[in-house]
Amino acid sequence: LAKTTQPISMDSYEGQEVNITCSHNNIATNDYITWYQQFPSQGPRFIIQGYKTKVTNEVASLFIPADRKSSTLSLPRVSLSDTAVYYCLVGGPNSGNTPLVFGKGTRLSVIA
Amino acid sequence: EAGVAQSPRYKIIEKRQSVAFWCNPISGHATLYWYQQILGQGPKLLIQFQNNGVVDDSQLPKDRFSAERLKGVDSTLKIQPAKLEDSAVYLCASSLRASSGNTIYFGEGSWLTVV
Repeated sequence: LAKTTQPISMDSYEGQEVNITCSHNNIATNDYITWYQQFPSQGPRFIIQGYKTKVTNEVASLFIPADRKSSTLSLPRVSLSDTAVYYCLVGGPNSGNTPLVFGKGTRLSVIA
Repeated sequence: EAGVAQSPRYKIIEKRQSVAFWCNPISGHATLYWYQQILGQGPKLLIQFQNNGVVDDSQLPKDRFSAERLKGVDSTLKIQPAKLEDSAVYLCASSLRASSGNTIYFGEGSWLTVV
């Protein structure tokens, strides 16, 4: 299983752009990169997923360099409600039976 | 679209007692997961089902934990007897298929406190 490494915590002021980088040096050819967000007292929630280059949706952008050994989740203009734990996951092979493994995640604190 | 439903939401039991959690996945999702999340840590996979068959239960403490998914839909996770270290949130999740490109949808979790 590809292991991921991300910062334990980050602080940001409201209105700033936040970039959270995740390292996954042994990512496999068929693996996708997926980010989840978790608020206190709730289950993780899907934010964004990508395979290579850049993916953007209404919530965030995901940047993946050509070697795919890292990825960066970008949250534009964060607000207090973005305070949460963010998990980077790298999937198993598409044959389907390898589960996604959660690390400890990055605890983002947004300050007014 | 209805999400993943779990019950009960909260449960407090004494050590050595038993407890059962129920999960109803999103309709049509073939893959169902049970995760354990201890406070301050990321979710840890306990068991993964594909339809009604077990795909991975390597991290399930089988001496006290059991899970089943009858008819490939609903699932129950049982703990008997419970230990203090079982205090955690038990998250059920589902996805269309098990491959890494498929999004996993989580329920809100069942909070267990063992005293």
